[in-house]
Amino acid sequence: GQQVMQIPQYQHVQEGEDFTTYCNSSTTLSNIQWYKQRPGGHPVFLIQLVKSGEVKKQKRLTFQFGEAKKNSSLHITATQTTDVGTYFCAGRGTGFQKLVFGTGTRLLVSP
Amino acid sequence: NAGVTQTPKFRVLKTGQSMTLLCAQDMNHEYMYWYRQDPGMGLRLIHYSVGEGTTAKGEVPDGYNVSRLKKQNFLLGLESAAPSQTSVYFCASNWGHLSGANVLTFGAGSRLTVL
Repeated sequence: GQQVMQIPQYQHVQEGEDFTTYCNSSTTLSNIQWYKQRPGGHPVFLIQLVKSGEVKKQKRLTFQFGEAKKNSSLHITATQTTDVGTYFCAGRGTGFQKLVFGTGTRLLVSP
Repeated sequence: NAGVTQTPKFRVLKTGQSMTLLCAQDMNHEYMYWYRQDPGMGLRLIHYSVGEGTTAKGEVPDGYNVSRLKKQNFLLGLESAAPSQTSVYFCASNWGHLSGANVLTFGAGSRLTVL
């Protein structure tokens, strides 16, 4: 079945440093979503990418979808303490496929 | 507009006991899902429903049952709880599987401990 791997599992940065998490699927995806979960909270939708090579920005966050539609990345420029949390990618295969979540990357930001 | 509401938020069970988690959504979503979240394993789909009266198995359905008697409610049952079912359970819903309609709205979660 479809598998979605995410690296790294955990990253600790100093405030102001950049951060990137990578998501890789074993199969071609029709789209990919990113969610953020604050400590003790629930996942909240950030963005969806659909097109091959698509790049979207939300303030300091940049999301990319690979040309082959099998990988994606989330880059945060100049992290802030409010960025703390776990970031999940979730990929949907072609056809009627359920979303498969990656294992998540936990980000800790020290002031 | 409450979104997705889960009850209870916390529960402690003894091995072998049964319980039901309730999920209610007020967004008229067709699809509803139950996930469990364990450290280092992300979110794994237990069961889901594509409409009132329908249910289907996800990745990890064993030991759980579900029902969707009303469109707005999705119940997750544990008939005989085991320590391996200690987890945080999240309910989610969306309009459907097509792009643009498939963004998940999650509930706040239910933390279950089985002793």
